[in-house]
Amino acid sequence: ETGVTQTPRHLVMGMTNKKSLKCEQHLGHNAMYWYKQSAKKPLELMFVYSLEERVENNSVPSRFSPECPNSSHLFLHLHTLQPEDSALYLCASSQDPRGSPLHFGNGTRLTVT
Amino acid sequence: AQSVSQHNHHVILSEAASLELGCNYSYGGTVNLFWYVQYPGQHLQLLLKYFSGDPLVKGIKGFEAEFIKSKFSFNLRKPSVQWSDTAEYFCAVYTGGGNKLTFGTGTQLKVEL
Repeated sequence: ETGVTQTPRHLVMGMTNKKSLKCEQHLGHNAMYWYKQSAKKPLELMFVYSLEERVENNSVPSRFSPECPNSSHLFLHLHTLQPEDSALYLCASSQDPRGSPLHFGNGTRLTVT
Repeated sequence: AQSVSQHNHHVILSEAASLELGCNYSYGGTVNLFWYVQYPGQHLQLLLKYFSGDPLVKGIKGFEAEFIKSKFSFNLRKPSVQWSDTAEYFCAVYTGGGNKLTFGTGTQLKVEL
């Protein structure tokens, strides 16, 4: 049990579909993150939220749209994705966004066809 | 831009062998340093961290890492590995500006019986 729950675990979608990834943390943390993990590449930070306010948007294409309705929940809305967006998407949380250790979820394996 | 280098991409060891995984970073200021581990089929989890103080830090499962500021390094060590240490190991560096935590590409460790 990680304390950070991601759903779904696997997602296959076409390039014209709209889908959302969900993340929930049960740790009382104040910061939440989306990372992209691709084979043979470093984890790529996509977005950081601190107390529901976006504090980092790491030059991510607009086809990825995050939403943080409260400090426990984080969504990643997906639309008109490309095949190169296929990857493992990881959600993480931390006590604060200033270098505290991250707690990761199990990830959503996304395949774009 | 800062970078984190893990020079060993794949390491194969026999049980009881000693382990050292290299990690170098390119930032000259104050850093927080981390090693994360991902066991097969599991989520990324914190192995150990360095924020300040004693540059030799000890983590879970007998792992330790040494921060050598002059070499911009934070190498991970374990005197005697076990089969259960088979996993992927990620070094990460936080530099304080822009909520930026940068990961290395990871080292896949396989421990053979």
